[in-house]
Amino acid sequence: EAQVTQNPRYLITVTGKKLTVTCSQNMNHEYMSWYRQDPGLGLRQIYYSMNVEVTDKGDVPEGYKVSRKEKRNFPLILESPSPNQTSLYFCASKRDRESTEAFFGQGTRLTVV
Amino acid sequence: EDKVVQSPLSLVVHEGDTVTLNCSYEVTNFRSLLWYKQEKKAPTFLFMLTSSGIEKKSGRLSSILDKKELFSILNITATQTGDSAVYLCAILTGANSKLTFGKGITLSVRP
Repeated sequence: EAQVTQNPRYLITVTGKKLTVTCSQNMNHEYMSWYRQDPGLGLRQIYYSMNVEVTDKGDVPEGYKVSRKEKRNFPLILESPSPNQTSLYFCASKRDRESTEAFFGQGTRLTVV
Repeated sequence: EDKVVQSPLSLVVHEGDTVTLNCSYEVTNFRSLLWYKQEKKAPTFLFMLTSSGIEKKSGRLSSILDKKELFSILNITATQTGDSAVYLCAILTGANSKLTFGKGITLSVRP
């Protein structure tokens, strides 16, 4: 089954403790991206990657890092999480830069206390 | 800065009603407009619109784009409780293929 898989689905952590949210897709998609969704603000892009080893900042990249060492995986790294990074995070992928339909993971609800 | 504005922010209707959800935008380098449905989990794709005036239809849902006036509408006829969700409008722009989302419209359909 074609899918985008995020882990974990839920995470509660403390301020400053480094964490990684994994994202994996099995569709051989070139393009992957991370979003955060907050009440009243909608979905905002954090980072995106057009292909392996090609990543770039989205609208709200501060406090986040990503890597794209292989095509299927696009982890989101929070080196020193803060409470304002409490949010619902979505990973998405699409075939390539030209394609329009994005497939979303099930989301990761992160709480930083 | 690209902007996508959806209205209303939320609405409550009864089963069988028809609803119209609005999306207006101001973006540079427009490529497509997309509608998603989100039911407490990942957004699921509904429609992609690229050309003005061509209605896309899927069952009770339909959508159309007006590139001159920079807006799109999503219509749902004969609403059912299963239509209760957040409806997201997004614009695909630019060489970096970025999706810019509106804040979403929360639709509640009461029995």
